[in-house]
Amino acid sequence: AQKVTQAQTEISVVEKEDVTLDCVYETRDTTYYLFWYKQPPSGELVFLIRRNSFDEQNEISGRYSWNFQKSTSSFNFTITASQVVDSAVYFCALWYTNAGKSTFGDGTTLTVKP
Amino acid sequence: EPEVTQTPSHQVTQMGQEVILRCVPISNHLYFYWYRQILGQKVEFLVSFYNNEISEKSEIFDDQFSVERPDGSNFTLKIRSTKLEDSAMYFCASSDAGETQYFGPGTRLLVL
Repeated sequence: AQKVTQAQTEISVVEKEDVTLDCVYETRDTTYYLFWYKQPPSGELVFLIRRNSFDEQNEISGRYSWNFQKSTSSFNFTITASQVVDSAVYFCALWYTNAGKSTFGDGTTLTVKP
Repeated sequence: EPEVTQTPSHQVTQMGQEVILRCVPISNHLYFYWYRQILGQKVEFLVSFYNNEISEKSEIFDDQFSVERPDGSNFTLKIRSTKLEDSAMYFCASSDAGETQYFGPGTRLLVL
């Protein structure tokens, strides 16, 4: 079965703290993609990153970084020096080519307090 | 940068009424999708569409739902007889090679 687990329902931090959002996935496919999306209060889904199953290199983009580990089926997302504007719901999603659809985790609500 | 657009942004309807949600995918994309997000919950897959036919649908996508690509640019989701539990945000998405999906801004549907 294909499944994405985001065990942290809500996280609250103070501005400038670092925060890591966890994502664990299950799939039998050998070829798949993992995504992170940000959903601000306005409701739209903002694409943050895509990572394919053959590329385990970590990635950094500004204050954002992602740690992909196939051995533990995890794709964690770290925000460094968090800001109030980072407050949103963050979704991890799994795309598996045989299915042609994305499976989303339940989301993690991040609140960054000033 | 090309983007997926959806209309309307908000729709309020009475239970039992038909609604049509509209989407304009990115122009060179070939795969189209609808997802649903009930308030406070996760995003759920409804249906995928390729080559003018449904390629996959979830158990949510029952007989009251239908999709159509009426012309070369629009992709629609019709809910034939709305129920209270259809109240949700509906996201359209499109992709080129079936990998990265680009999501529209969503249509917030409220059924009274």
